[in-house]
Amino acid sequence: DTEVTQTPKHLVMGMTNKKSLKCEQHMGHRAMYWYKQKAKKPPELMFVYSYEKLSINESVPSRFSPECPNSSLLNLHLHALQPEDSALYLCASSLGRAQPQHFGDGTRLSIL
Amino acid sequence: TQLLEQSPQFLSIQEGENLTVYCNSSSVFSSLQWYRQEPGEGPVLLVTVVTGGEVKKLKRLTFQFGDARKDSSLHITAAQPGDTGLYLCAGYGNKLVFGAGTILRVKS
Repeated sequence: DTEVTQTPKHLVMGMTNKKSLKCEQHMGHRAMYWYKQKAKKPPELMFVYSYEKLSINESVPSRFSPECPNSSLLNLHLHALQPEDSALYLCASSLGRAQPQHFGDGTRLSIL
Repeated sequence: TQLLEQSPQFLSIQEGENLTVYCNSSSVFSSLQWYRQEPGEGPVLLVTVVTGGEVKKLKRLTFQFGDARKDSSLHITAAQPGDTGLYLCAGYGNKLVFGAGTILRVKS
């Protein structure tokens, strides 16, 4: 069982919907990450939070909006997504920025 | 931009065979991780190597970090169907950089 919990596991939404992905860890990790992964490809970094502050945004479109309410939680707010945004969205955490990352099982997102 | 070249991209072998996956770069990494990912799940950390020349063993898996910390290999001895999955190497420069991945299929 993973120690990084992501909800929901699956999400189907229309292009005009607003939804949020949630990630939670209780390992005391101070760095948290969002990745996007297409089938049989490596994860692509989207955002990095360090000590609850956004430290890296990999030029992600504004229709993806991250939020870190506290050191254990990470959200990804979605609005007006496109069909090409359909993918597995992975959350990860690490003790510090250069430490090994632990991944959740992801949210499988489908945009209709 | 730091890049990790991972090979082979796809490997289909019979149960009991040995295999090696390679990750190479022209850049130096402070550490390198190997992950294994099964369908419908997130990547699971297998090992972290930090010191140049380091060798780590995890049951039938042997991981090596190059002396110059630019390359790494994963060797699996006597592969089993349960080893099937996507293997990813990832190196830390200023952020975690992933290789393209190796899809391993072990047939019984």
